[in-house]
Amino acid sequence: AQKITQTQPGMFVQEKEAVTLDCTYDTSDPSYGLFWYKQPSSGEMIFLIYQGSYDQQNATEGRYSLNFQKARKSANLVISASQLGDSAMYFCALTGGFKTIFGAGTRLFVKA
Amino acid sequence: SAVISQKPSRDICQRGTSLTIQCQVDSQVTMMFWYRQQPGQSLTLIATANQGSEATYESGFVIDKFPISRPNLTFSTLTVSNMSPEDSSIYLCSVVTGLTNTGELFFGEGSRLTVL
Repeated sequence: AQKITQTQPGMFVQEKEAVTLDCTYDTSDPSYGLFWYKQPSSGEMIFLIYQGSYDQQNATEGRYSLNFQKARKSANLVISASQLGDSAMYFCALTGGFKTIFGAGTRLFVKA
Repeated sequence: SAVISQKPSRDICQRGTSLTIQCQVDSQVTMMFWYRQQPGQSLTLIATANQGSEATYESGFVIDKFPISRPNLTFSTLTVSNMSPEDSSIYLCSVVTGLTNTGELFFGEGSRLTVL
């Protein structure tokens, strides 16, 4: 069975600072993918970053990077130089066996 | 990538009625899924819509309550039957376009249902 956990219901960060959103997972599939999505108040789901289970290097996409620690089964999202527009819900997701499950989400508040 | 259109975008429904949500994709896709997002909650997978066969439902979801059709590789419908206020949610259609089991999920804009 697959499981994904986000333990931070809410996070605050000062504008221009970096923030780490935690995500741990569990799966028996040897091949899986980890995603982060952003959901602003408008409700749309915005893809941010992807990490494959066999990828040797941590994924990066602009200001987003994924700190992938396979042995610890964690896939934390790091947002550098936070902006006010980063205030939103962030979901970690695990894909394997042709199915994707989502964590509970972390609401990020960026303070000016 | 894929562009997904969902209809209706929002609706207000009376208790006991049923509503069908449509999902149209601009290209043929391998996998289509339906998710529910209750207010303030995460996304919960309802079912995988299988082309030409019955949908595969997740634990806690049944066909009688959430019948799903997928007549071809670009279209699917989800019906929410005999609605109650607890069914008030955003319902999201999503697709995977690749052939691997780890492909990116693309989402429609969602259908926000309010049941009175």
